[in-house]
Amino acid sequence: ETGVTQSPTHLIKTRGQQVTLRCSSQSGHNTVSWYQQALGQGPQFIFQYYREEENGRGNFPPRFSGLQFPNYSSELNVNALELDDSALYLCASSLGLNTGELFFGEGSRLTVL
Amino acid sequence: EDQVTQSPEALRLQEGESSSLNCSYTVSGLRGLFWYRQDPGKGPEFLFTLYSAGEEKEKERLKATLTKKESFLHITAPKPEDSATYLCAVQARQAGTALIFGKGTTLSVSS
Repeated sequence: ETGVTQSPTHLIKTRGQQVTLRCSSQSGHNTVSWYQQALGQGPQFIFQYYREEENGRGNFPPRFSGLQFPNYSSELNVNALELDDSALYLCASSLGLNTGELFFGEGSRLTVL
Repeated sequence: EDQVTQSPEALRLQEGESSSLNCSYTVSGLRGLFWYRQDPGKGPEFLFTLYSAGEEKEKERLKATLTKKESFLHITAPKPEDSATYLCAVQARQAGTALIFGKGTTLSVSS
């Protein structure tokens, strides 16, 4: 049974650029959530996808967008990067909605210069 | 506003020295409270789910308890491998599926 995998693990962008982060869910999981974790902070909910539809969104602007594919893998896209977007982006998969038992990947560390 | 506060921010223990981590929460209808462990450079790892006041869960040297306003993570006779950041999160009935995390408690256990 493979766990949640994310790519890339590290990347550096400049302000104003766009970035796409990718996530493969744990086998059998149909729900994907994305969280942003700034240094020294707890993870903050960005959004969740269930069966390719967005199912809940946190307090993030529209330049944060996502997709879920038929195989339950997912992408997080961030446009017009700002310095404050520098953080660890965590993908988590779960079996079904409303469960708080999430299986996290190791994250993508984004640095915006 | 739903929120989670964890204390202390950092805790240093000697191997075998038991202690407790605190998680205070305010939420409009608790669906569940969750404890996670996060090692440096890794994603959080699920530990426990608690649903109602009075509930307790145990796993090896860890025991989680829940009251109407807070949760405790008790660590009995810790070992150096228990060193990590412990995150508490709540799920509110009116907030959908999102987890609201605290900032965590960083535990260091020395031999």
